[in-house]
Amino acid sequence: DAKTTQPNSMESNEEEPVHLPCNHSTISGTDYIHWYRQLPSQGPEYVIHGLTSNVNNRMASLAIAEDRKSSTLILHRATLRDAAVYYCILTNFGNEKLTFGTGTRLTIIP
Amino acid sequence: DAGVIQSPRHEVTEMGQEVTLRCKPISGHDYLFWYRQTMMRGLELLIYFNNNVPIDDSGMPEDRFSAKMPNASFSTLKIQPSEPRDSAVYFCASSWGSHTDTQYFGPGTRLTVL
Repeated sequence: DAKTTQPNSMESNEEEPVHLPCNHSTISGTDYIHWYRQLPSQGPEYVIHGLTSNVNNRMASLAIAEDRKSSTLILHRATLRDAAVYYCILTNFGNEKLTFGTGTRLTIIP
Repeated sequence: DAGVIQSPRHEVTEMGQEVTLRCKPISGHDYLFWYRQTMMRGLELLIYFNNNVPIDDSGMPEDRFSAKMPNASFSTLKIQPSEPRDSAVYFCASSWGSHTDTQYFGPGTRLTVL
């Protein structure tokens, strides 16, 4: 299975944009890139996913590099509620399970 | 929909006792997943089902752990006998199916084995 690499932690100021990077240099052509986050004392929750093109939803944007070896989760205007551990995960056909790494712990500074 | 429901939310038991964790997936979802989270090992998949059939149980630690899904609306994870190292938060998740579909997680069961 292809592996992802994320920074252990990041800090951002409240109401500023946040760019969370993820490297997946061994990604295959059919791997989907998913982002989940886990708020304190809660189960993980879905944020966004994509294959090749950049994606936007009400929570965030996902920017995928042209060679797909990296991606960036963008929170356009961070709030205190966005403080969480963010996980970048790859899935593929026949591999529906989520393999969580250590993720990035995002701290929002008021 | 109420989302994925897990019970109990907290369980404290003594070593050697049997523990049963329960999960009700979102109606209509074909896949059900059991994950465990500890400080040391992070979030790890234990087992998952498709249409009530176990697909991958390679994450189940040992024979003390067993999981069943007797119907589409209910699953159990049983530990017998329980040991202190089983202390963790156990999450159940469900999804419609494919690797592109969102997994919806329950609130988890915090298990403490004394």
